[in-house]
Amino acid sequence: KQEVTQIPAALSVPEGENLVLNCSFTDSAIYNLQWFRQDPGKGLTSLLLIQSSQREQTSGRLNASLDKSSGRSTLYIAASQPGDSATYLCAKMDSSYKLIFGSGTRLLVRP
Amino acid sequence: DARVTQTPRHKVTEMGQEVTMRCQPILGHNTVFWYRQTMMQGLELLAYFRNRAPLDDSGMPKDRFSAEMPDATLATLKIQPSEPRDSAVYFCASTGLAKETQYFGPGTRLLVL
Repeated sequence: KQEVTQIPAALSVPEGENLVLNCSFTDSAIYNLQWFRQDPGKGLTSLLLIQSSQREQTSGRLNASLDKSSGRSTLYIAASQPGDSATYLCAKMDSSYKLIFGSGTRLLVRP
Repeated sequence: DARVTQTPRHKVTEMGQEVTMRCQPILGHNTVFWYRQTMMQGLELLAYFRNRAPLDDSGMPKDRFSAEMPDATLATLKIQPSEPRDSAVYFCASTGLAKETQYFGPGTRLLVL
């Protein structure tokens, strides 16, 4: 069974800290790996998409890496801000173009 | 500002009633996905369509759920009859190419009493 696992499930950090969210997946046959943000009561917003041939993508203070051989992706957030507080979901796109989601990491950045 | 829209945003109904959720994908997007999100199961893919044809509905309970795309601008998800265990947030997403970013709607929050 294809699974996507995210750790930690929840994280609380003071403002300004750099942090790393982890995502691991079974089956290295992926098309891409995506990171989403979800605010309470809202839909998902795409943050970064890493194609299977790529190793990382950057957008502003966010950097996502992909290591297919080990089945891992990380989302690095630099200089965290209270506005970064949300749930972060990673999702793997498989060979049939389906997104398989992890259970998410709930992030709280304390002022 | 192109975005996926979903109606209704909230729905409260009684067990046994029919529920219809609607989604308008981003204009020009040819692939539409239906997901369900619960605390216990997280986000699960129910079904998806490309060019209005159903490609995969293996994640959907067939006996009570049905998904259709009457035209390129409308996707529907129906539950008949609804049950309390169907209570969840149902998201629609669309994309132009299967490998691109999926754009999610705001969701329909369903409560079946």
